[in-house]
Amino acid sequence: NAGVTQTPKFRVLKTGQSMTLLCAQDMNHEYMYWYRQDPGMGLRLIHYSVGEGTTAKGEVPDGYNVSRLKKQNFLLGLESAAPSQTSVYFCASSSRGRPVEAFFGQGTRLTVV
Amino acid sequence: GDSVTQMEGPVTLSEEAFLTINCTYTATGYPSLFWYVQYPGEGLQLLLKATKADDKGSNKGFEATYRKETTSFHLEKGSVQVSDSAVYFCALEAGGYNKLIFGAGTRLAVHP
Repeated sequence: NAGVTQTPKFRVLKTGQSMTLLCAQDMNHEYMYWYRQDPGMGLRLIHYSVGEGTTAKGEVPDGYNVSRLKKQNFLLGLESAAPSQTSVYFCASSSRGRPVEAFFGQGTRLTVV
Repeated sequence: GDSVTQMEGPVTLSEEAFLTINCTYTATGYPSLFWYVQYPGEGLQLLLKATKADDKGSNKGFEATYRKETTSFHLEKGSVQVSDSAVYFCALEAGGYNKLIFGAGTRLAVHP
């Protein structure tokens, strides 16, 4: 029972490079989220999706793009990485209904140099 | 806007000590409240939740009561173990679709 799987787990980028983080869930959840975790700030919502083909901005969306072409996958893209995007990124998913538990992946530690 | 404030850590305790981690919130309406725990090298997992005033969430010996009058959701455990060492996040649901607003997190270290 995999739950929420993120790839890669670690990555180092140079300023200006691009990359895509992949999130996959096997629980048939409607809702998916990308959060970033920074010291002293907890987790902040970047983007989220309430169903296949839909995306919406969260609290800190600038510099990121997302896509949800398949229900089980939610991709987070950085088109031109900046040092301010050095963070730990967490994907999460949840079913419909309120309130329900969000299930988190193990995180991706990204360093932009 | 909505926000969550947690006590700063780290909190260091001896095994079998009593634990309290304070959490207060600011929100419009009456959001659902959560405590999530993050063990080293892992993602967050739900510890407990409460959906309305005076509800008590409990799990694994941890408890928290939704206090509307003080806008608080403090986490307590009567006797901590070394295995409870982790980072604890208080969170509230905001804006629908189970979106969460998190506090900064409190690191707990329990030593034998």
